[in-house]
Amino acid sequence: DTAVSQTPKYLVTQMGNDKSIKCEQNLGHDTMYWYKQDSKKFLKIMFSYNNKELIINETVPNRFSPKSPDKAHLNLHINSLELGDSAVYFCASSHLGGQDGYTFGSGTRLTVV
Amino acid sequence: GQNIDQPTEMTATEGAIVQINCTYQTSGFNGLFWYQQHAGEAPTFLSYNVLDGLEEKGRFSSFLSRSKGYSYLLLKELQMKDSASYLCAGGYSNYQLIWGAGTKLIIKP
Repeated sequence: DTAVSQTPKYLVTQMGNDKSIKCEQNLGHDTMYWYKQDSKKFLKIMFSYNNKELIINETVPNRFSPKSPDKAHLNLHINSLELGDSAVYFCASSHLGGQDGYTFGSGTRLTVV
Repeated sequence: GQNIDQPTEMTATEGAIVQINCTYQTSGFNGLFWYQQHAGEAPTFLSYNVLDGLEEKGRFSSFLSRSKGYSYLLLKELQMKDSASYLCAGGYSNYQLIWGAGTKLIIKP
């Protein structure tokens, strides 16, 4: 199936831990994104990579570090997790500019306890 | 700023028509996206408007007025499965995509 797949779907962890979320797309898109959707349902861009190069880096704590080994993968590593990091994190991909639409992964529901 | 404004919640009746409005800042604007998001699921792409006017895709249509900074999503022959949040997003220069908070659409029998 052609899709954006991200793992894990659910992640429950304690404050202070380090965790990673993985994302892969087989749609042939050249741009990938990480979004955070909080309890108020706002989708906020965190990072965007085009052909492995960082093109959008919003104001997020430097505890969040994206890594793109190739244009089909964009992983998100989070250090020293805090309660406020609890949210749903969506990976997405598109062609640059996104005019054909963004395709989202199914989301990772992160709960920090 | 590049605020995207849309109503928080709307209610409509099965079989009816509903229009969800969205306003956006015009500076640096490229085009306007609409996405559908069911509870607990990922957003799915509905439409992208660049030019003024109405674009129809089956029961869903999307309208854009670039001069007014205004768009709407029109849903016809509403079905219960259309109950979802509808997200308006503006595409801007530097590849920025600014999202509204979404309009929760409740369909009643």
